[in-house]
Amino acid sequence: KAGVTQTPRYLIKTRGQQVTLSCSPISGHRSVSWYQQTPGQGLQFLFEYFSETQRNKGNFPGRFSGRQFSNSRSEMNVSTLELGDSALYLCASSNQETQYFGPGTRLLVL
Amino acid sequence: QQQVKQSPQSLIVQKGGISIINCAYENTAFDYFPWYQQFPGKGPALLIAIRPDVSEKKEGRFTISFNKSAKQFSLHIMDSQPGDSATYFCAARRNGQNFVFGPGTRLSVLP
Repeated sequence: KAGVTQTPRYLIKTRGQQVTLSCSPISGHRSVSWYQQTPGQGLQFLFEYFSETQRNKGNFPGRFSGRQFSNSRSEMNVSTLELGDSALYLCASSNQETQYFGPGTRLLVL
Repeated sequence: QQQVKQSPQSLIVQKGGISIINCAYENTAFDYFPWYQQFPGKGPALLIAIRPDVSEKKEGRFTISFNKSAKQFSLHIMDSQPGDSATYFCAARRNGQNFVFGPGTRLSVLP
């Protein structure tokens, strides 16, 4: 079974721009979660989608949004990028209990 | 209530030694406790997980010990190897809710 894939793997943007990250979950998994990982803050939960509906949401500003498609693929969008948004963005898919992570997208905001 | 505390922040162990990482939680509604291993440049990978109705679970060199009354759980890595050098995260989740992660422990195993 193929694992969780994320595209792109690396991204450089400038302040004020917006960015869209993509995640393809493991086949059959209906839940996709997004996390922000930084050296100082660890793994911070952004949101979770299940069957195209946002099921849980973390404490991030409205600039961070997401969606899930009927094939369970998910996208995350960050608008009006700030320097502090530089991080590794991880996507994880789950089959009710166990969560499997993708390799992440490393975003650098200049 | 939603926090998971993890210690130590970093750990150095000699090859062949035992690595022990501890986590503590407050929310008694948590019912699933996984440990993840992350190598630089990679996403976290599930190592081992436990439910609160079990006090210990072993998979190869990795063991989770769970103390429900103390609201603590720990990861023991027996016969630690240089290849185990990575960052380890504990996590907890209540069914239907999002996972809450500990801040991570950077393990270095010296050859």
